[in-house]
Amino acid sequence: KAGVTQTPRYLIKTRGQQVTLSCSPISGHRSVSWYQQTPGQGLQFLFEYFSETQRNKGNFPGRFSGRQFSNSRSEMNVSTLELGDSALYLCASSSDRVGQETQYFGPGTRLLVL
Amino acid sequence: AQSVAQPEDQVNVAEGNPLTVKCTYSVSGNPYLFWYVQYPNRGLQFLLKYITGDNLVKGSYGFEAEFNKSQTSFHLKKPSALVSDSALYFCAVRPRSGNTPLVFGKGTRLSVIA
Repeated sequence: KAGVTQTPRYLIKTRGQQVTLSCSPISGHRSVSWYQQTPGQGLQFLFEYFSETQRNKGNFPGRFSGRQFSNSRSEMNVSTLELGDSALYLCASSSDRVGQETQYFGPGTRLLVL
Repeated sequence: AQSVAQPEDQVNVAEGNPLTVKCTYSVSGNPYLFWYVQYPNRGLQFLLKYITGDNLVKGSYGFEAEFNKSQTSFHLKKPSALVSDSALYFCAVRPRSGNTPLVFGKGTRLSVIA
């Protein structure tokens, strides 16, 4: 099976712009989670989608949003970018079946905000 | 609230020696426990998980972890370290009940010296 894919892998934006990141989960996985990774804060949970519905949400401002499509692919959007949004954004998918709770991660999108 | 502690930011070990990366957690009930590894400029790779059963869990690349319920610990171990094991290691926990997100520790950087 192909793994989790994320596009683009690298992105450079300027403050005030908005950005959309994409994640394609492992085939058959219906749960997609997003994380922000920075050197100072470590891995922080953004949100989780399951069957096109947001199931969990982390403690991030409303500038961070996401959605999931019927094919389980997910996008996250960050509006009005700030310098502090520079980070590695990781997407993970899981099957959500009992005993298969493992989340598998994509390679990440590295966002640099100038 | 759930939390995961990785008390060591950095662990140094000589090649061929055994290694231990420590993890303790605080969560109600019996959680699912995970270890992930991250190589530079990559996403997180799943190493192993504890769901139930034997307290010693074997995973990828010769790694294993020991679940200790009384000490609420899940330390990662390997009998003989390789230089290629040098990476960032994350412990994560997820309660069994409810659809709550993974909570990660801050990570421990492992350096294996030849």
